[in-house]
Amino acid sequence: AQKVTQAQTEISVVEKEDVTLDCVYETRDTTYYLFWYKQPPSGELVFLIRRNSFDEQNEISGRYSWNFQKSTSSFNFTITASQVVDSAVYFCALSEANYGGATNKLIFGTGTLLAVQP
Amino acid sequence: NAGVTQTPKFQVLKTGQSMTLQCAQDMNHEYMSWYRQDPGMGLRLIHYSVGAGITDQGEVPNGYNVSRSTTEDFPLRLLSAAPSQTSVYFCATRLRDSPYEQYFGPGTRLTVT
Repeated sequence: AQKVTQAQTEISVVEKEDVTLDCVYETRDTTYYLFWYKQPPSGELVFLIRRNSFDEQNEISGRYSWNFQKSTSSFNFTITASQVVDSAVYFCALSEANYGGATNKLIFGTGTLLAVQP
Repeated sequence: NAGVTQTPKFQVLKTGQSMTLQCAQDMNHEYMSWYRQDPGMGLRLIHYSVGAGITDQGEVPNGYNVSRSTTEDFPLRLLSAAPSQTSVYFCATRLRDSPYEQYFGPGTRLTVT
């Protein structure tokens, strides 16, 4: 069965600290897709990144970086030099594949609330 | 280009009342979905549609109905509201083909008393 675990319920850091949000997933498929979404206090869900299971390259986008490791079924998210605007709930999600593409069923983790203090 | 819109933003219902949450998109996305978000549980899929006239159940479909008569609209109906349906509801859309990320509407906060 598919499952996404975000063991860190809440993290509090001081501005400019680096912080890593953990995501561990379970799936029986060999092809799958992983996502991170951000939910700021305003409530909307903002897409951050998608990673395919066959592409294990890590990715960096500004202060954000993602570490995908199939061997440990993890897809961790690091924010470097955190800022107050990074305060939000972050969700990791998994979608399995169907006929070569992603299914419409996103399985979400329970989210990690990140509080960045000034 | 409004993206994904949801109405209403807030709603209070009494137990047993019915209502329809509206979702509309102008991105010509084939796939549309409804999720509910509850504290400590992340988002859970209620129903989804892969195109006009085609719908299927997600993880928590009981108490909800959907239909998809056009590409643009995907309403969610609560036939007889229960307090357990108090939640924030999100509509999401995506293209059938890559890229596969879903785009979410702003959400509807529903309280059932």
